Amino acid sequence: GAVVSQHPSRVICKSGTSVKIECRSLDFQATTMFWYRQFPKQSLMLMATSNEGSKATYEQGVEKDKFLINHASLTLSTLTVTSAHPEDSSFYICSASLGGGYTFGSGTRLTVV
Amino acid sequence: GNSVTQMEGPVTLSEEAFLTINCTYTATGYPSLFWYVQYPGEGLQLLLKATKADDKGSNKGFEATYRKETTSFHLEKGSVQVSDSAVYFCALSDRDYKLSFGAGTTVTVRA
Repeated sequence: GAVVSQHPSRVICKSGTSVKIECRSLDFQATTMFWYRQFPKQSLMLMATSNEGSKATYEQGVEKDKFLINHASLTLSTLTVTSAHPEDSSFYICSASLGGGYTFGSGTRLTVV
Repeated sequence: GNSVTQMEGPVTLSEEAFLTINCTYTATGYPSLFWYVQYPGEGLQLLLKATKADDKGSNKGFEATYRKETTSFHLEKGSVQVSDSAVYFCALSDRDYKLSFGAGTTVTVRA
């Protein structure tokens, strides 16, 4: 079946640095990918919709300069958390839409210290 | 806007017990409804879905029926196993194909 590979699974970074998270569709082409954020014991919140070859569409309240999304090819979307701060610590998950359904990456646990 | 309200956990059960996780939703129009499962250390996997009123989704012994009159999509399984221990998410998708998730319910099944 369709697989979305997300890396890294865990990352610890220092405050002020940037972190890049990659999401790859391994056996299909993903025109659209979605990026979610999940706080402890809370729901997944959609951050942005990433479309190949165009600018991402961000949800209300999500800082586009803070969370840079690039979808340069049909198999790769990246989320870069710039100038990370402890409040950016969270679980980030990507997904791709395919055939009316959705395939999810395994998520990235980001800890900013 | 769209929203999903899901039964709070955690839920702890013994093997072969009956499991119900309540889910209700608010949406404009006629959304598709989903249950996703996240096993420890893994990504979200689609468990079942229903795309219109009165549809019943089923998979791996789990069932959920799309109830438009009560705006509900409760998940049920008649006899759980230890391997069913996971976090379960109720979700809906709108015309823009964006998913709205419930908070997730952690289920632990003890032998």
